[in-house]
Amino acid sequence: AQKITQTQPGMFVQEKEAVTLDCTYDTSDQSYGLFWYKQPSSGEMIFLIYQGSYDEQNATEGRYSLNFQKARKSANLVISASQLGDSAMYFCAMREPRSNDYKLSFGAGTTVTVRA
Amino acid sequence: GAGVSQSPSNKVTEKGKDVELRCDPISGHTALYWYRQSLGQGLEFLIYFQGNSAPDKSGLPSDRFSAERTGGSVSTLTIQRTQQEDSAVYLCASSSLGGNTIYFGEGSWLTVV
Repeated sequence: AQKITQTQPGMFVQEKEAVTLDCTYDTSDQSYGLFWYKQPSSGEMIFLIYQGSYDEQNATEGRYSLNFQKARKSANLVISASQLGDSAMYFCAMREPRSNDYKLSFGAGTTVTVRA
Repeated sequence: GAGVSQSPSNKVTEKGKDVELRCDPISGHTALYWYRQSLGQGLEFLIYFQGNSAPDKSGLPSDRFSAERTGGSVSTLTIQRTQQEDSAVYLCASSSLGGNTIYFGEGSWLTVV
């Protein structure tokens, strides 16, 4: 079963506007972690933001914020004031630390293109 | 260096040859992961090491793939008798135990011709 679903294969956004990238997840665990990574065309995976399942506040890191809706199993990434350098592939991932198993499950990714 | 270091950054090999990919995790990180990413695709889990525990090899696609981690630090992913479908970027990542941040290296781009 797919653990992480990203339904938007590609998105265009105008420079300086905000964009929301969707991510839904599937788990029966109470304790889990959600991650967002950015992958520019150069290929490196850049960590953006983390949300723990027990965190009551939505995580924020600069222009990145995570809209965490636990009941809906949703962890959308919001990028505010988009910049040309934000053009990249974005991956949502989940870690379920059961039995010391900390591996990440990744979604298929969303390609974001920022237009000037 | 401060980050996860992978080598080689690029490797072109002939079908049937063996290749070794190296990962040097962030100092002090006990967890080490290998992932594979084919062109335009998401990340596919290969193997996970945590301290001295037995590795989770559940993602290795065939017995041609193996990995080891020496001294709890450097890891080597070995692909024997490479096939064209092995062409991909092999990404290594590390984290502290239960750490909330998992850092990736820049990847090893493998092309099998």
